[in-house]
Amino acid sequence: GIQVEQSPPDLILQEGANSTLRCNFSDSVNNLQWFHQNPWGQLINLFYIPSGTKQNGRLSATTVATERYSLLYISSSQTTDSGVYFCAVEYRGGGNKLTFGTGTQLKVEL
Amino acid sequence: ETGVTQSPTHLIKTRGQQVTLRCSSQSGHNTVSWYQQALGQGPQFIFQYYREEENGRGNFPPRFSGLQFPNYSSELNVNALELDDSALYLCATRGTGGANTGELFFGEGSRLTVL
Repeated sequence: GIQVEQSPPDLILQEGANSTLRCNFSDSVNNLQWFHQNPWGQLINLFYIPSGTKQNGRLSATTVATERYSLLYISSSQTTDSGVYFCAVEYRGGGNKLTFGTGTQLKVEL
Repeated sequence: ETGVTQSPTHLIKTRGQQVTLRCSSQSGHNTVSWYQQALGQGPQFIFQYYREEENGRGNFPPRFSGLQFPNYSSELNVNALELDDSALYLCATRGTGGANTGELFFGEGSRLTVL
């Protein structure tokens, strides 16, 4: 099956700092989503981005499908950005499922 | 707010018991899938239902079974519970149209503890 690796695994930021999270995948994908999982377990949709670039407020994401990676940018981080960030992909031949990456645990401090 | 509702939110069972978890979604979302998330790990795909039939399954034993009803609500049943079944169980439905048709939306999950 497909391998989905995220980096860094852990990240600590001061409030106001910017960061870039990376997701590498080992095969062609036809769906890629970024999620933020809050401390209560809720997976919050950030982006549906199988290719291209999208922006939503302080967050933006870019997927370069031909090079098999996606980036999530967080600008002017806030303490409420803390949590785990997952990318998840669907790939041809993988059936009707999302395969999740290893996650990035983000902590934003005052 | 994803429109996906799960119940119960928390429950405790003992080894060997059976459990039923429930999921409901907005009308028209005719695809539902279930995921298991163990502590410290990413969610793992259990199975997916489309129009009341299973159309995809992950690497889970047959004691994990499901149902989808005509109103698109769904159940996940787990028999003969084991300690390793302790996890957060997540239900997801797909968007039904527009540019983001393939996008999945998750409920808040049911946290199962097996003692």
